[in-house]
Amino acid sequence: SQKIEQNSEALNIQEGKTATLTCNYTNYSPAYLQWYRQDPGRGPVFLLLIRENEKEKRKERLKVTFDTTLKQSLFHITASQPADSATYLCAPRALGSSNTGKLIFGQGTTLQVKP
Amino acid sequence: DAGVIQSPRHEVTEMGQEVTLRCKPISGHDYLFWYRQTMMRGLELLIYFNNNVPIDDSGMPEDRFSAKMPNASFSTLKIQPSEPRDSAVYFCASSITGTTNTGELFFGEGSRLTVL
Repeated sequence: SQKIEQNSEALNIQEGKTATLTCNYTNYSPAYLQWYRQDPGRGPVFLLLIRENEKEKRKERLKVTFDTTLKQSLFHITASQPADSATYLCAPRALGSSNTGKLIFGQGTTLQVKP
Repeated sequence: DAGVIQSPRHEVTEMGQEVTLRCKPISGHDYLFWYRQTMMRGLELLIYFNNNVPIDDSGMPEDRFSAKMPNASFSTLKIQPSEPRDSAVYFCASSITGTTNTGELFFGEGSRLTVL
């Protein structure tokens, strides 16, 4: 069955450092992969999408890579700030008849940035 | 737009009672999703609709759960009878089809259900 693995242990880093979160998937070939941020007591919020033919995508301090051979995506936050503390969820998506449809999420990794 | 609106935000009920959760998607969105989130299992997809039609309900745990979407602006998730193991945060999300958009999901703030 399809499986998505994110590091279940919280990631604690010092302000200013780069945070790197990992998303591994097995038993399917996603056409693209989304990353979401979730704050306590709130719903997830979309951050970035990367397609299978893109090696890397950037948005401000965020960088996402997508390696279809390793079946892995890495999510980087450079110059991290305490405000970046949250849970980050990855969601690989296979294309169906439309570019929407079923979206399965990983368990998420909680990031804590200390001042 | 106000975003995806869910109600109630919090619900505490006793085992055996019926629970109805409500969702208003973003206007113009043609996909609606119901997810359940717990510490143990993370964010699980229960069911999703396209143009008000249920497409995949394979995530619905059992017959006690049912979902409807009578029109494009309203959906309900019903649990009858409720059990303590149903305690979770239930999220509704909507999305729009298009060849150029990202297919991102817009989530509501969730309904936290506690079944005693």
